[in-house]
Amino acid sequence: EAQVTQNPRYLITVTGKKLTVTCSQNMNHEYMSWYRQDPGLGLRQIYYSMNVEVTDKGDVPEGYKVSRKEKRNFPLILESPSPNQTSLYFCASSFSPSGTQYFGPGTRLTVL
Amino acid sequence: GIQVEQSPPDLILQEGANSTLRCNFSDSVNNLQWFHQNPWGQLINLFYIPSGTKQNGRLSATTVATERYSLLYISSSQTTDSGVYFCAAEYSGNTPLVFGKGTRLSVIA
Repeated sequence: EAQVTQNPRYLITVTGKKLTVTCSQNMNHEYMSWYRQDPGLGLRQIYYSMNVEVTDKGDVPEGYKVSRKEKRNFPLILESPSPNQTSLYFCASSFSPSGTQYFGPGTRLTVL
Repeated sequence: GIQVEQSPPDLILQEGANSTLRCNFSDSVNNLQWFHQNPWGQLINLFYIPSGTKQNGRLSATTVATERYSLLYISSSQTTDSGVYFCAAEYSGNTPLVFGKGTRLSVIA
């Protein structure tokens, strides 16, 4: 089954404790991206990747890192999480930036 | 900056009613997509529609690129149509999608 998976689905952590949210897709998509969704603000892009070893900042990259060592995986790293990063995070993939976007199930992160 | 605006922000419908959701964008687009986020948070792509009209069951979408808007039609609405509908636009090649803030639809039985 074609899908985008994210783990964990729910995470409660404390300020400053490094965490990684994994994202994996099995559709051989070249383009992957991370979004955060906050009430009243819709979805905002954090980082995106056009292909392996090619990543770039989206609209709200501060406080986040990503890597793309393999085509299928695109982890989101929070080196020192803060409460303002409490949000719902989505990973998405597609064949190209303009292609149909497939979203993962979301990760609800709470930073205390 | 580039703007994507959706209206109405909230909509309550009786089951069986029809509705039209609107998405305005501030510049010419390469790509316009509609998504549905169900009450459990899952985001599903509904339409990829940079121009023209497409239909999928009770849903259809029309984008008039020259006038910078897109419409999503929902006919004979069902409670399972509830959720938030987002449109997203790509303005030039290889740039991130810009999302609107969504229309929250509640269909009541």
